[in-house]
Amino acid sequence: KAGVTQTPRYLIKTRGQQVTLSCSPISGHRSVSWYQQTPGQGLQFLFEYFSETQRNKGNFPGRFSGRQFSNSRSEMNVSTLELGDSALYLCASSLATVSAKTQYFGPGTRLLVL
Amino acid sequence: QQQVKQSPQSLIVQKGGISIINCAYENTAFDYFPWYQQFPGKGPALLIAIRPDVSEKKEGRFTISFNKSAKQFSLHIMDSQPGDSATYFCAASKPGTASKLTFGTGTRLQVTL
Repeated sequence: KAGVTQTPRYLIKTRGQQVTLSCSPISGHRSVSWYQQTPGQGLQFLFEYFSETQRNKGNFPGRFSGRQFSNSRSEMNVSTLELGDSALYLCASSLATVSAKTQYFGPGTRLLVL
Repeated sequence: QQQVKQSPQSLIVQKGGISIINCAYENTAFDYFPWYQQFPGKGPALLIAIRPDVSEKKEGRFTISFNKSAKQFSLHIMDSQPGDSATYFCAASKPGTASKLTFGTGTRLQVTL
């Protein structure tokens, strides 16, 4: 079974621009979560989508948004980029059942904002 | 407010030794406690997880010890190997929000020959 894939793997943007990151979950997984990883703040939860609906949300500004498609693929968008948005953005997928909570992470998209 | 505190920040262990990483949590609503391993350039990968109704769980060389009254849990890596050198994260989640993990700050483990 293929793992979680994320595209692109690396991205360079300038302040004020917007960016869209893509995540394809493991086949059969309906839950997709996004995390931001930085040296200073560590791993922080952004949001989770399940069956095309945002189910949970972290403490990030509205510039961070996401969506999920009917095939469970997900995208996250960051508008009006700031230097502090430079980070590794990780996507994780899960069956999200009571007995199957494991989240499987992709390799991440490394975003550099100049 | 950091809800999951992890220590130490870094750890050097000799090959064959025991690596111990500790975590403490504040929110008693947490009911799922996984440990993740991350290698440079890779996403975190689940190592082992425990629920609070169990005091210990072992999978191969990896053991989680859980102390509900102290709100602490720890990861023990027995017979540590150079290939175990990675960053380890503890995490926690609440019922119904297993996909919303609260992570510790990470421990960089180096296993020397």
